[in-house]
Amino acid sequence: DTGVSQNPRHKITKRGQNVTFRCDPISEHNRLYWYRQTLGQGPEFLTYFQNEAQLEKSRLLSDRFSAERPKGSFSTLEIQRTEQGDSAMYLCASGDGSYNEQFFGPGTRLTVL
Amino acid sequence: AQKVTQAQTEISVVEKEDVTLDCVYETRDTTYYLFWYKQPPSGELVFLIRRNSFDEQNEISGRYSWNFQKSTSSFNFTITASQVVDSAVYFCALRGANTGTASKLTFGTGTRLQVTL
Repeated sequence: DTGVSQNPRHKITKRGQNVTFRCDPISEHNRLYWYRQTLGQGPEFLTYFQNEAQLEKSRLLSDRFSAERPKGSFSTLEIQRTEQGDSAMYLCASGDGSYNEQFFGPGTRLTVL
Repeated sequence: AQKVTQAQTEISVVEKEDVTLDCVYETRDTTYYLFWYKQPPSGELVFLIRRNSFDEQNEISGRYSWNFQKSTSSFNFTITASQVVDSAVYFCALRGANTGTASKLTFGTGTRLQVTL
């Protein structure tokens, strides 16, 4: 399967703990995106990488959130000192250089107790 | 600012009925791209179609068809002869072509389609 993969698929954590999610994009795609989706809503943009450079960050991405793509391949999204409001589905997508379709992974569902 | 409105929160139809999902968008970009994605109960967003703002031709793909009308800023999606497997949440999305709008998709809130036997 050569689609976007995300790990873990589910994460339950206690408030105040740190969590880290991983995204492996489609191998030939140089663009990588993170979105967050809460119940009953559409995905909301968090951040975007072109190769290893983080080119855009949403205001939704507070100081507790950090994303990296160190070698321009996989990416990690870390949330520090999690809060109950962080509970959501975190989606990763990748795309090619033509700025066209973004292909999504299965997401990581985070539950903060 | 970019905005996508999907006014229909939930639609229920009986199998074999036709159903249209509405999408209205707002953007200041003169060039932009419109998308539809399907999110089945498994949760993964599945890409269905992209339409460029400079191409107003409607498109048909099997039982799916899309009607893009720039004059009304709408990009509606019709499923003909619906099937139970079409049950999912459908999202309309918009991406601009300028700095600040080109990198991200702006999604609507989705329409949940329930197809029953």
